[in-house]
Amino acid sequence: QITLKESGPTLVKPTQTLTLTCTFSGFLLSTNGVGVGWVRQPPRKALEWLALIYWDDDKRYRPSLKSRLTITKDTSKNQVVLTMTNVDPVDTGTYYCAHARRGYNYYFDYWGQGTLVTVSS
Amino acid sequence: QSVLTQPPSVSAAPGQKVTISCSGSSSNIGNNYVSWYQQLPGTAPKLLIYDNNKRPSGIPDRFSGSKSGTSATLGITGLQTGDEADYYCGTWDSSLSGGQVFGGGTKLTVL
Repeated sequence: QITLKESGPTLVKPTQTLTLTCTFSGFLLSTNGVGVGWVRQPPRKALEWLALIYWDDDKRYRPSLKSRLTITKDTSKNQVVLTMTNVDPVDTGTYYCAHARRGYNYYFDYWGQGTLVTVSS
Repeated sequence: QSVLTQPPSVSAAPGQKVTISCSGSSSNIGNNYVSWYQQLPGTAPKLLIYDNNKRPSGIPDRFSGSKSGTSATLGITGLQTGDEADYYCGTWDSSLSGGQVFGGGTKLTVL
């Protein structure tokens, strides 16, 4: 049974760095064809993909945010960490981590419950 | 502005059928596979369809997916009030160094 859970601060000040942790169980991130991604959702808006880290440590980032994002994995702890620097109120939203599985393409088949992050002074 | 275009809303009566479109380009839908997600109010997204038309275990066959060219469609038959949700299409975009893109979402109302 695959589960994921996001953790991190609920309130962050503008210009600070946001660090979110995804703790998962039920799979190994060292398994071929597996990844963990981050997706956010501003209030009352659409999903936005942010980053993905693959089983082989390959990484992909949303182009518009690439300079501000870093995704890493700790396979011994079953965790994936996303850091976002220089946050702004527009970064407010619910942040989800999700298990990515390779079919013909990668898709997100299991999602965490999400964590709401508010950026405000 | 999302890379993939979906209608903001669709509606239909219980028991009826509805389709939700997702339009893209050759750099995303045209050369990649599409997935669909259902997001019930206040909950995380849930995978409905992957690889254009495959259903994960536990997803009823009332839900179907198809793709033609640079567009994809989600179909839902036998609508139930519990299907009221936001629906998102997703795929990969070759122009974004292999990044995931989502549609803007479609709100389904079951009248």
